[in-house]
Amino acid sequence: GAVVSQHPSRVICKSGTSVKIECRSLDFQATTMFWYRQFPKQSLMLMATSNEGSKATYEQGVEKDKFLINHASLTLSTLTVTSAHPEDSSFYICSARSGVQPQHFGDGTRLSIL
Amino acid sequence: DAKTTQPNSMESNEEEPVHLPCNHSTISGTDYIHWYRQLPSQGPEYVIHGLTSNVNNRMASLAIAEDRKSSTLILHRATLRDAAVYYCILRGSGNTGKLIFGQGTTLQVKP
Repeated sequence: GAVVSQHPSRVICKSGTSVKIECRSLDFQATTMFWYRQFPKQSLMLMATSNEGSKATYEQGVEKDKFLINHASLTLSTLTVTSAHPEDSSFYICSARSGVQPQHFGDGTRLSIL
Repeated sequence: DAKTTQPNSMESNEEEPVHLPCNHSTISGTDYIHWYRQLPSQGPEYVIHGLTSNVNNRMASLAIAEDRKSSTLILHRATLRDAAVYYCILRGSGNTGKLIFGQGTTLQVKP
């Protein structure tokens, strides 16, 4: 089945640091990638949608200057959390899709900001 | 995006079938019904999806009501590894459809 790889799986860093998370589709070309965030005991919240070669579309309330998304190729998207603070600590999950096929998800990145 | 309603939690015994219901009374004609499940500390896993007809795959079956206002995910023989949060999500057709997650159903499987 389709595989989406996300790296790193866990990050612990100091407040003020910028953190980059990578998302790769390993066996298909992802025309669209999605980034979600999930707080403890809550559901996934969609942050943004990106199409290869285009600027990401952010959901309402998500700061685009805080969460930088790059979708430079059909197999790679990155999310950079800039100047991270403790309130940005969360479980970040990427997802990828080819055309109208079902979306597939990575295993998430647990980000802890001290 | 049309909304779905699922029970917060359900229990099942191991090796018995499980029927997970989902109501989507405001579904539009082009919305697909998708099911995903999420195990603790993992990303969601695709289970099955359908439009009008019932669907079967190696993981589960999806029974869709004739009026499409509800559907049921069927796990034919629950195992302990099926304990997860199950999400029923409507996704519009075409490349622009997004998956918006609700609260899902937490399934507990008892040995």
